[in-house]
Amino acid sequence: SQQGEEDPQALSIQEGENATMNCSYKTSINNLQWYRQNSGRGLVHLILIRSNEREKHSGRLRVTLDTSKKSSSLLITASRAADTASYFCATGINTGTASKLTFGTGTRLQVTL
Amino acid sequence: DGGITQSPKYLFRKEGQNVTLSCEQNLNHDAMYWYRQDPGQGLRLIYYSQIVNDFQKGDIAEGYSVSREKKESFPLTVTSAQKNPTAFYLCASSPGPIEAFFGQGTRLTVV
Repeated sequence: SQQGEEDPQALSIQEGENATMNCSYKTSINNLQWYRQNSGRGLVHLILIRSNEREKHSGRLRVTLDTSKKSSSLLITASRAADTASYFCATGINTGTASKLTFGTGTRLQVTL
Repeated sequence: DGGITQSPKYLFRKEGQNVTLSCEQNLNHDAMYWYRQDPGQGLRLIYYSQIVNDFQKGDIAEGYSVSREKKESFPLTVTSAQKNPTAFYLCASSPGPIEAFFGQGTRLTVV
């Protein structure tokens, strides 16, 4: 079963607006990661937040993590048409040299001009 | 250039055939992964490997097999036991328990 569930499933906004996506998960984790996927392509890592962190920023991205609620959010500020893609959260459980990632079903973001 | 290379990009399989998907990385990463993605869905873990000659089953390993004879290579075989193999397959690697780096995927279709 999927560990993470994203909300909303689809989001359509205009360029310049902010986009917020939410992720909920079920079990304890070591980290939570967000990835981006353009149609038919591989995934690109955006940002990682560890279980002992509450907020992290990277450029126009802001991620929050609430381990008590088992939820995370990804905020993309001042969106651009090039941000159009699917966004996935993935919960990481460390197993030695690997991090076993479990992905949610994703949020499809459409940014229009 | 450093990265992960998956081949082929498109693969067609006849009923009852085994097919092998290639995944090569030159990032010197210990961990490698195989995921399956169905249309409109997230990724599901098939197998992962933390080190050469070692691998573990993921959530949907039935009908698949892997090997890890070299650090750089982690091929996935889709066997005839996999009854619904049509999907997009993604390989990834990671330098540790942090972010994963993905290849561009192989789209497998049963004909």
